[in-house]
Amino acid sequence: GEDVEQSLFLSVREGDSSVINCTYTDSSSTYLYWYKQEPGAGLQLLTYIFSNMDMKQDQRLTVLLNKKDKHLSLRIADTQTGDSAIYFCAYDVRGADKLIFGTGTRLQVFP
Amino acid sequence: DADVTQTPRNRITKTGKRIMLECSQTKGHDRMYWYRQDPGLGLQLIYYSFDVKDINKGEISDGYSVSRQAQAKFSLSLESAIPNQTALYFCATSDRPGQGVNEQFFGPGTRLTVL
Repeated sequence: GEDVEQSLFLSVREGDSSVINCTYTDSSSTYLYWYKQEPGAGLQLLTYIFSNMDMKQDQRLTVLLNKKDKHLSLRIADTQTGDSAIYFCAYDVRGADKLIFGTGTRLQVFP
Repeated sequence: DADVTQTPRNRITKTGKRIMLECSQTKGHDRMYWYRQDPGLGLQLIYYSFDVKDINKGEISDGYSVSRQAQAKFSLSLESAIPNQTALYFCATSDRPGQGVNEQFFGPGTRLTVL
């Protein structure tokens, strides 16, 4: 199957850490991705992780990958109001050169 | 200027009408994609194209057709629109040499309402 599941909403206080979780079913992907959709805009690639890695850090962003459990997470440190957006996880479909996106998590940051 | 543009940005139409959504890109990418976004369902792939002569169905192609008129243009048609095709539609492009990262670049979206 090609299902990718995320919780729909997350609300955090400004300055706290946010953790957005994703579970997927296809274990053959090469890369897994996090895309960000700001209000009224299309998606933009935020970060990605190679499937042979279990962690990647990029400034305030930390991506954790647990291949055994097929679980991907995105941690945003010191969350700011500008981080309010919808976050989608996605993975490659090997051999088909396309992405399968999750349901998206709407992150709301309040002061 | 935006690299990936979509027209129109908003459209309201009636059941049974034929609708065309257009996408143009100046990134020089070979790959182009059409998605629809529904609340709680995320993004679903409708069609994708690797070049002018290579069109592929996505997960939800029924009720839709596409045309890749040139490398830079990829249009999506609804031959006879129905209310459950009300959604936000996105076009995207990518240029993926070898087996590298598949970064897709999205247009701003077209909000389609079918009454």
